[in-house]
Amino acid sequence: EVQLVESGGGLVQPGGSLRLSCSASGFTFSSYPMHWVRQTPGKGLEYVSAISRNGGTTYYADSVKGRFTISRDNSQNTVYVQMSSLRPEDTAVYYCVKDQSIHDLTYLMDVWGQGTTVTVSS
Amino acid sequence: DIQMTQSPSSLSASVGDRVTLTCRASQSISNNLNWYQQKPGKAPKLLIYVASSLQNGVPSRFSGSGYGTDFTLSISSLQPEDFATYYCQQSYSTPPTFGQGTKLQIK
Repeated sequence: EVQLVESGGGLVQPGGSLRLSCSASGFTFSSYPMHWVRQTPGKGLEYVSAISRNGGTTYYADSVKGRFTISRDNSQNTVYVQMSSLRPEDTAVYYCVKDQSIHDLTYLMDVWGQGTTVTVSS
Repeated sequence: DIQMTQSPSSLSASVGDRVTLTCRASQSISNNLNWYQQKPGKAPKLLIYVASSLQNGVPSRFSGSGYGTDFTLSISSLQPEDFATYYCQQSYSTPPTFGQGTKLQIK
């Protein structure tokens, strides 16, 4: 069974940092691009970041560019997002998501983790 | 960014009804339109991709159509487990963007 399990969420003060992890199983992790998507009650689903299968290509939404860094460790079947200079508007449930396409980034996302909650507040 | 607009925002229907949800893109996205179902407290689940292809394991009562800017998701005979929120998403250009959702409620 394909499974994605996020961890690392929590409460952090504005300006602080947090690293989210996503552990993958049930598929050949190194063959698939991966994504992070976040969700808030107010703004709905918002795309955050993507990484190619070998980590050589990354993409960031304008709202997080320069503050978030996506990375992956194919030997550990894990994708990360390092979040810094956090703002209250970064408060959301963060989902790790698998790209449907083997090899290329298509932004067609077929398997989602259960999500981890990040709260940015003093 | 491409804006995705879903209508209606909410819909009340009964078990057995046929319903159609609509998604409109602010510019042509070819057939790069995907539909997700989300139940409370759960992650979104892919139902339909590239406008009309049914994801593995999704019941055949779900179908999608459309091209360019206008797309629909239809459910032929509503089942109790279908009451959820449905989102469209374009994968035509970056950033990928989502509609605001249609909440399907039991009448």
